[in-house]
Amino acid sequence: EVQLVESGGGLAQPGRSLRLSCVVSGFSFDDYVMHWVRQAPGKGLEWVSGISWNSGRVGYAASVKGRFSMSRDNAKKSLYLQMNSLRVEDTAIYYCVKDIGYRTSSFSYGMDVWGQGTTVTVSS
Amino acid sequence: QSVLTQPPSVSGAPGQRVTISCTGRSPSIETNYDNYDVHWYQQLPGAAPRLLIYGNSNRPSGVPDRFSGSKSGTSASLDITGLQAEDEADYYCQSYDSTLGGYIFGPGTKVTVL
Repeated sequence: EVQLVESGGGLAQPGRSLRLSCVVSGFSFDDYVMHWVRQAPGKGLEWVSGISWNSGRVGYAASVKGRFSMSRDNAKKSLYLQMNSLRVEDTAIYYCVKDIGYRTSSFSYGMDVWGQGTTVTVSS
Repeated sequence: QSVLTQPPSVSGAPGQRVTISCTGRSPSIETNYDNYDVHWYQQLPGAAPRLLIYGNSNRPSGVPDRFSGSKSGTSASLDITGLQAEDEADYYCQSYDSTLGGYIFGPGTKVTVL
């Protein structure tokens, strides 16, 4: 069974940092593009960041560029999102998501497996 | 303002057909240089999103054939035929933004089964 399990969410003050992790199982993690997608309370979906299978390409939404850093450890089948300089508007559920893209640096094939999400709340 | 536009809501009686449109403007779905695929996701209340259609018209295994997708030019659509109570959810279209270099989502459409 394919599983993506996020962790690391919680409450943080504006300007502080959090690091999200996602551990996967049930598929060949090191062959696929991966993403973080977030959803603010009562709002729609927002793509946050994506990383190619070999970490050769990493992309960010304009709203997080320069503050967030995405990485992966294929040996540990893990995905990470380092979130610095957090803002109130970063409050959201953060989903770890597998892309359909196989051994590609393209972010365009669709997202076929979603984790259950981890909640990040930024508040003073 | 999203580069993908969806109606905020659509509704239908059980058994009816509903269509959700997704209209894009450059730099998404279609530019002067490339065409980008559109994907659709269903999000039931309190749940994570689920892939419904990928590559404009392809259904992953396990998705009922009541759901179908199409794309023409800068517009795409999701059809739900034989509407059922369990189809009541939010539906999002997604494509690629060549300026962003990543995915973008439409604002979402709430489907209500009357």
